[in-house]
Amino acid sequence: TQLLEQSPQFLSIQEGENLTVYCNSSSVFSSLQWYRQEPGEGPVLLVTVVTGGEVKKLKRLTFQFGDARKDSSLHITAAQPGDTGLYLCAGLFGNEKLTFGTGTRLTIIP
Amino acid sequence: EAGVVQSPRYKIIEKKQPVAFWCNPISGHNTLYWYRQNLGQGPELLIRYENEEAVDDSQLPKDRFSAERLKGVDSTLKIQPAELGDSAVYLCASSKSGQFSPTFGSGTRLTVV
Repeated sequence: TQLLEQSPQFLSIQEGENLTVYCNSSSVFSSLQWYRQEPGEGPVLLVTVVTGGEVKKLKRLTFQFGDARKDSSLHITAAQPGDTGLYLCAGLFGNEKLTFGTGTRLTIIP
Repeated sequence: EAGVVQSPRYKIIEKKQPVAFWCNPISGHNTLYWYRQNLGQGPELLIRYENEEAVDDSQLPKDRFSAERLKGVDSTLKIQPAELGDSAVYLCASSKSGQFSPTFGSGTRLTVV
C-alpha cells in the first residue's frame, strides 16, 4: 500500500504571509497532483506535475516535484483568505491507482 | 459543460438500514470512481470503472457494499446494512480513459445514527 504523508496537518496564518506544505512518500510517483477542497464540495484539481524537479506556477501558488519523484511541495506567496481550504496531494503510481494524501487544512486569517 | 452530479447531497439513516447513492458523470468520461472521505482526511478509492467494467474494487468492503454501472454511464453505490462507521462523505468522480485526473462531484454526506 502506497502512503502519502502531508505536513503540516493544520496551518493557520495571517493574510499576507507565505507558507509551504509538503507531500512525501517512500514510493516513486508516475505523476503527482494537487487539489484544493472547500467545505461541502469535492476536491478541485490545481496542477499535475510529471517530471522530477518540475516547477509549475499558478498565480501565487508554486508547485515543485522532487528530483526523485517521491515528494512535492506547494508554496503560497502572500496568502489570502480565499486560499483557505483543504489541500490534498494525490500520487499516481505504476499500478494506475491514484492515492490521496492525508491533507493539510489551511486557514488564512484576515 | 455539466459537472459530475451526485444525489442526494445529504442522507441520515439508522444503522442496519440500506442506503444508495447515485452519480451521473461528465459526458464522454468513460472512467468513473467512487471515493469515501472521512472527516479531515483524504479520499480513499472504493471502486473504479472503465465503462461497465469494475477494474479496481480491491478496497470495496464487499460484504456490505455494492456498486453498479450497467450502461457505462450512471452509477449507484449501495450499502446494506449500514454501520455507524460508514458515516462519511461519498464522492463520485469521472475522467477520460487513461487520464487519471478525476473531476469530482460535490459528494453525499452520509450520517448513520
